[in-house]
Amino acid sequence: DAGVIQSPRHEVTEMGQEVTLRCKPISGHNSLFWYRQTMMRGLELLIYFNNNVPIDDSGMPEDRFSAKMPNASFSTLKIQPSEPRDSAVYFCASSQTLGLMGLASNEQYFGPGTRLTVT
Amino acid sequence: AQSVTQPDIHITVSEGASLELRCNYSYGATPYLFWYVQSPGQGLQLLLKYFSGDTLVQGIKGFEAEFKRSQSSFNLRKPSVHWSDAAEYFCAVGAVGQNFVFGPGTRLSVLP
Repeated sequence: DAGVIQSPRHEVTEMGQEVTLRCKPISGHNSLFWYRQTMMRGLELLIYFNNNVPIDDSGMPEDRFSAKMPNASFSTLKIQPSEPRDSAVYFCASSQTLGLMGLASNEQYFGPGTRLTVT
Repeated sequence: AQSVTQPDIHITVSEGASLELRCNYSYGATPYLFWYVQSPGQGLQLLLKYFSGDTLVQGIKGFEAEFKRSQSSFNLRKPSVHWSDAAEYFCAVGAVGQNFVFGPGTRLSVLP
């Protein structure tokens, strides 16, 4: 298995531009997570999906952030408009969970991350 | 609210020395406990996990961790560190019905 795939690996954009990050989870996994990692705030859970349905988006910082999962093999995280404070590494992770009660107990497999720089 | 603390931001050990990374948690429910490792420029990789049963769990790369309920701790240990163990280590806690929470991480440096 190729593992969790994220693209692009690096993104540099100007403030105000739209940014779209992409994630392909491991085949057969039914839960997908988006995280943001910064030096100041560490690793933060932004949103997670179970069976393509957003379950908890309370970690999404602002309305400028949105995430979708149109099917089991693809998810996007969009920032519009982007700001310099959005600069971070964004990770996607997936897991195979048995119902929502199992979300906290199953290993998450992380992608390599997308390093976003907003100037 | 649930929280995870890793008291040591940065630890330096000599190659071949023993290692212990500390993790403390505050959770209302019975926790699921994890240790992940992140090498530079990489995503996180699971080292080990504890759900129930034997409080000493073995993981990959020669790591082990011990769950101590009375101390709300889940410390990671390795008897002999290798230079390739230099990385960032994250403790994480989950519970049924609650979000997964990562600690702030401990950066490990290994001296030759």
